[in-house]
Amino acid sequence: RKEVEQDPGPFNVPEGATVAFNCTYSNSASQSFFWYRQDCRKEPKLLMSVYSSGNEDGRFTAQLNRASQYISLLIRDSKLSDSATYLCAVRNTGGFKTIFGAGTRLFVKA
Amino acid sequence: SQTIHQWPATLVQPVGSPLSLECTVEGTSNPNLYWYRQAAGRGLQLLFYSVGIGQISSEVPQNLSASRPQDRQFILSSKKLLLSDSGFYLCAWTPPRDRPPDEQYFGPGTRLTVT
Repeated sequence: RKEVEQDPGPFNVPEGATVAFNCTYSNSASQSFFWYRQDCRKEPKLLMSVYSSGNEDGRFTAQLNRASQYISLLIRDSKLSDSATYLCAVRNTGGFKTIFGAGTRLFVKA
Repeated sequence: SQTIHQWPATLVQPVGSPLSLECTVEGTSNPNLYWYRQAAGRGLQLLFYSVGIGQISSEVPQNLSASRPQDRQFILSSKKLLLSDSGFYLCAWTPPRDRPPDEQYFGPGTRLTVT
């Protein structure tokens, strides 16, 4: 089993739709959680960290479920510019390594 | 603010040739540094990480090596490239452990094609 798993998609949604991605992790010692966005042929860019209480940044909401060992990303009112690959990432307590999922591809269509 | 540089941006090299990719970070001290490779349509594969000058941890046995000659400089090398070395090479940094947050930031990457 991979340490971090994501549905590869692709997710094809119309503009204005709400879309949700889940990401599961296998190591219960994981302590820090992140969502990244990667545009085609570009580097991943940090979208948001995921806190235990959940956090929101505009149209983006991230949630953490430690009991079930998954994190989620909700995008409301999708824009064409949201089309990208979304990577989740986890880091263990005191660890140096961040483990990335393979990414979920999102296409937002007019 | 912190900035991470990588060069070159694009590279085409023949099989069997050497490789040297450089990464530098500005605006921070004693960062943790990382090299990743991303093959076409694939996820990020951690190759090396470093917590300090001269300290290198290798994650995947291969014909690549890494060095950290200065605090904010990280170099990826190979003596003889293989076709399978083609990919998108990304350098990344995080603050040292005693300086949260521990978010990881990536450089712009080097796209390597081995022919």
